[in-house]
Amino acid sequence: AQKITQTQPGMFVQEKEAVTLDCTYDTSDPSYGLFWYKQPSSGEMIFLIYQGSYDQQNATEGRYSLNFQKARKSANLVISASQLGDSAMYFCAMREPNTNAGKSTFGDGTTLTVKP
Amino acid sequence: DGGITQSPKYLFRKEGQNVTLSCEQNLNHDAMYWYRQDPGQGLRLIYYSQIVNDFQKGDIAEGYSVSREKKESFPLTVTSAQKNPTAFYLCASSSPGTGENQPQHFGDGTRLSIL
Repeated sequence: AQKITQTQPGMFVQEKEAVTLDCTYDTSDPSYGLFWYKQPSSGEMIFLIYQGSYDQQNATEGRYSLNFQKARKSANLVISASQLGDSAMYFCAMREPNTNAGKSTFGDGTTLTVKP
Repeated sequence: DGGITQSPKYLFRKEGQNVTLSCEQNLNHDAMYWYRQDPGQGLRLIYYSQIVNDFQKGDIAEGYSVSREKKESFPLTVTSAQKNPTAFYLCASSSPGTGENQPQHFGDGTRLSIL
């Protein structure tokens, strides 16, 4: 069975600084996808970034980058130049191979608070 | 614009009552999912459907039921057998066949409380 572990229930960061949110995963499948989502206090889930298990380079999307270390089974999210609007809950998720309808397993999340 | 619509935004259930949460998508996605989120927790999969007229139990299906009569619609019924239904419910969809890099798209959620 797949498992996602986010060990930081809450994180604080000063505005304009960078922050790393940790994510480790466990799976026996050689092919998988890793996703990060942002959930503001309003509740909607916003897709941020994707990393495939066979991707050679770390994914980047604007201020978001993913530090993917396959041997360590970690996929940490790095947010650069934090903004007040980045305050939210962040979830790491792993998607099963397509034969399982694209099901995803989510971690328990990390609540990020950006201080002015 | 394409997206997922969940209704109602807030729902209250009386003891012994069944309630149905609506989820409609116009993204032409094959797969749809229902998640439950308790305060400060992650998402747990209730049911999912890969195709019309087919659905599978997730990790916490007891006390819930679903149907998938149309590709666009995947309603969730919270039955009286679900003794602790107070939670935030999220519906999602995806198109797994178009590539493993496709994320799930989510609705805005329904907050269910017991009266």
